Amino acid sequence: KAGVTQTPRYLIKTRGQQVTLSCSPISGHRSVSWYQQTPGQGLQFLFEYFSETQRNKGNFPGRFSGRQFSNSRSEMNVSTLELGDSALYLCASSSIPGQGREQYFGPGTRLTVT
Amino acid sequence: DQQVKQNSPSLSVQEGRISILNCDYTNSMFDYFLWYKKYPAEGPTFLISISSIKDKNEDGRFTVFLNKSAKHLSLHIVPSQPGDSAVYFCAAGSNFGNEKLTFGTGTRLTIIP
Repeated sequence: KAGVTQTPRYLIKTRGQQVTLSCSPISGHRSVSWYQQTPGQGLQFLFEYFSETQRNKGNFPGRFSGRQFSNSRSEMNVSTLELGDSALYLCASSSIPGQGREQYFGPGTRLTVT
Repeated sequence: DQQVKQNSPSLSVQEGRISILNCDYTNSMFDYFLWYKKYPAEGPTFLISISSIKDKNEDGRFTVFLNKSAKHLSLHIVPSQPGDSAVYFCAAGSNFGNEKLTFGTGTRLTIIP
């Protein structure tokens, strides 16, 4: 069974631009969660989607948004990029929403904002 | 407000010895806890979990201990192997209300051959 895939793996953007990251969950998984990892902050929860609906949301500004398609693939968008948005963005999928132990993570997208 | 804290950013242990990674939490609503392991350029992988109704869970070389009164958990790895060198994240969740996981900042474990 293929794992969680994230594209692109690396991205360099300029302040003020916007970016879209993509995540394809494990086949059959309908829940997708997004996390931001920065040094000293650990993994910070962004949002969770289940069956195309946002089920849960972390404490991030409205510049961070996401969506999920009918095939369970998910995208997250960051508008008006700031230097502090430089981070590793991780996507995780699970068959059961909200169950951390069932989550399988992708390798992440490394975003650098200059 | 960091509700899950891993106060040691790094730890070095001799191969074959015991590795002990610590985690503290502040939210008494957390009722399950997990440890994830992360290698460079890979996503975190689930290692072991414990429910708040238990004080110990063991899986091979890995044991997690939970002290609810102290709001403290620890991961013991015995014996430590070079392949255990990674960043370890502690995470906590609640089955009531908001179910999102809250992660600690991670501890980088280095096993010295």
